[in-house]
Amino acid sequence: EADIYQTPRYLVIGTGKKITLECSQTMGHDKMYWYQQDPGMELHLIHYSYGVNSTEKGDLSSESTVSRIRTEHFPLTLESARPSHTSQYLCASRGDRGPEAFFGQGTRLTVV
Amino acid sequence: RKEVEQDPGPFNVPEGATVAFNCTYSNSASQSFFWYRQDCRKEPKLLMSVYSSGNEDGRFTAQLNRASQYISLLIRDSKLSDSATYLCVVNDRGSTLGRLYFGRGTQLTVWP
Repeated sequence: EADIYQTPRYLVIGTGKKITLECSQTMGHDKMYWYQQDPGMELHLIHYSYGVNSTEKGDLSSESTVSRIRTEHFPLTLESARPSHTSQYLCASRGDRGPEAFFGQGTRLTVV
Repeated sequence: RKEVEQDPGPFNVPEGATVAFNCTYSNSASQSFFWYRQDCRKEPKLLMSVYSSGNEDGRFTAQLNRASQYISLLIRDSKLSDSATYLCVVNDRGSTLGRLYFGRGTQLTVWP
């Protein structure tokens, strides 16, 4: 099993609230990613990081922000949640030994 | 144009059947290729890498045709436990560099 964890697993929250989705990995991987996935649809890259203090926006425009202060931690923040943010958010990491990406179990976010 | 295109599916097959999935990618400079498996409401997990010479892992066989930019996955003697969504994934550079691009996935249901 991969050592990458996301919390919370499920979150239902009201419009306008600020939320932070947590992602942590204990594998020492430099590269970390956030993907957004709607049911039956492909994964869309929204943020990635190649190391501490390095963050980039992905392919899908997102109102979220990320930070990478520590190697093991890559939180995603939504300053003001909206119903359009309802989706599954998957965090992943990759190391230097191979191109495989390891995924967390995801956070299912519902904004009401 | 999407980076990775897959058969739309869904595929519904009886136990014991042989089923094949196809995938095409748009970037001719892509370096490495994978099939991931994603169970319902779960995170994607690596099923197998795809090598130029083709490779086999038990009942699963993957093929790559660089000239046609085409990847395939063959599953022989399907089991109920093979029911999942199969994601074609392409890395645009070698090793751990570059970005992973995910196809939308092909849903497989194996029935008894």
